[in-house]
Amino acid sequence: DAKTTQPNSMESNEEEPVHLPCNHSTISGTDYIHWYRQLPSQGPEYVIHGLTSNVNNRMASLAIAEDRKSSTLILHRATLRDAAVYYCILARTSYDKVIFGPGTSLSVIP
Amino acid sequence: DGGITQSPKYLFRKEGQNVTLSCEQNLNHDAMYWYRQDPGQGLRLIYYSQIVNDFQKGDIAEGYSVSREKKESFPLTVTSAQKNPTAFYLCASSERLWGNEQFFGPGTRLTVL
Repeated sequence: DAKTTQPNSMESNEEEPVHLPCNHSTISGTDYIHWYRQLPSQGPEYVIHGLTSNVNNRMASLAIAEDRKSSTLILHRATLRDAAVYYCILARTSYDKVIFGPGTSLSVIP
Repeated sequence: DGGITQSPKYLFRKEGQNVTLSCEQNLNHDAMYWYRQDPGQGLRLIYYSQIVNDFQKGDIAEGYSVSREKKESFPLTVTSAQKNPTAFYLCASSERLWGNEQFFGPGTRLTVL
């Protein structure tokens, strides 16, 4: 089964960039890499996704390694509202198993 | 506004009772999903549906049942066979099955007394 590995927790200072890593060494060629975040007592919120190329949107950037075995979510300037649990998941177009692990709990220090 | 709604936000039930959690979306999405989340844990997939009148078991389907009679609705029934039903339940939808963005509802926190 393709699964992801993330650090349990990270800290960042407000207004500094944050790099959240994710390892997915068993990724297959058709797996999309998705990132979501979840604030306490709320449903997860989509952040970004990609397949092979780096991706940018208004919330974040996604840098995908050339061999696709790892990726990094980049928040360019952390704010207090970015404090959340960040999940890196592999989404398959043909269902096998979706692993939504414990994620990385990001704390932002004022 | 388009979105996905779940009701109620909090639900209390006595042990041994079945309970049905509501999930409605007006995004015209084909795929819908139910997840369970326990404190400090990630999400685990209970059931998913690719299209109306079709649904498949996820990783932890035992003790749960679903129906998909309408595109907009995907209710989840937690039966008395579910051994540890107290949890946070999240419903999601996406335009097609996997591969793209899932929109999540606000969740229902079920407590079985």
